[in-house]
Amino acid sequence: EVQLVESGGGLVQPGGSLRLSCAASGFTFSGHSMHWVRQAPGKGLVWVSRIHSDGTHITYAESVKGRFTISRDNAKNTLYLQMNTLRAEDTAMYYCVRDSSTLDYWGQGTLVTVSS
Amino acid sequence: DVVMTQSPLSLPVALGQPASISCRSSQSLVHSNGNTYLNWFQQRPGQSPRRLIYEVSNRDSGVPDRFSGSGSGTDFTLEISRVEAEDVGVYYCMQSTHWPPYTFGQGTKLEIK
Repeated sequence: EVQLVESGGGLVQPGGSLRLSCAASGFTFSGHSMHWVRQAPGKGLVWVSRIHSDGTHITYAESVKGRFTISRDNAKNTLYLQMNTLRAEDTAMYYCVRDSSTLDYWGQGTLVTVSS
Repeated sequence: DVVMTQSPLSLPVALGQPASISCRSSQSLVHSNGNTYLNWFQQRPGQSPRRLIYEVSNRDSGVPDRFSGSGSGTDFTLEISRVEAEDVGVYYCMQSTHWPPYTFGQGTKLEIK
């Protein structure tokens, strides 16, 4: 069974940093590109970033470019999102999503709240 | 960026009745390889999104056959032949032809009338 378990969310002040993690199991992690998608409270889905299966070919939404860094450790079956210079508008549930014929399996999400 | 526009945004439907959601893209979603990467997701209240349909009309494993997807070019439709109580939630279309970025529609909230 495919499982994606996010962690690392929490309350952070504007300008602060957080590192999200996503532990993957139940499939060959190194064989899939992975994404982060976020959802502000009561709002829709917004794609954040994608990383190829081998850690190359990284892309970001314009709204996070230069502040967020996606990475992965295929030996640990883990996806990461380093978030720096956080803003109030980054407040959202962050989902880790597998790519198989595009986005398919989603984790349960980890909530990031940026507030003073 | 490709803009995805869904309608309606709110969809009250009686149990057992059909439902239809439209999704339009600001440009054709036909990829240079000939495939069309239009996908549908369901998000039940309090849950993570779940993919229902990929590449316009392919149902994911475990998705009831009352869900179907159709369309081409810039116009796409998700249909539910007979709405059940478990279908309540928000439905999103998403394109993955022209990325980055991947873009979603605004979401359509289906409720039981």
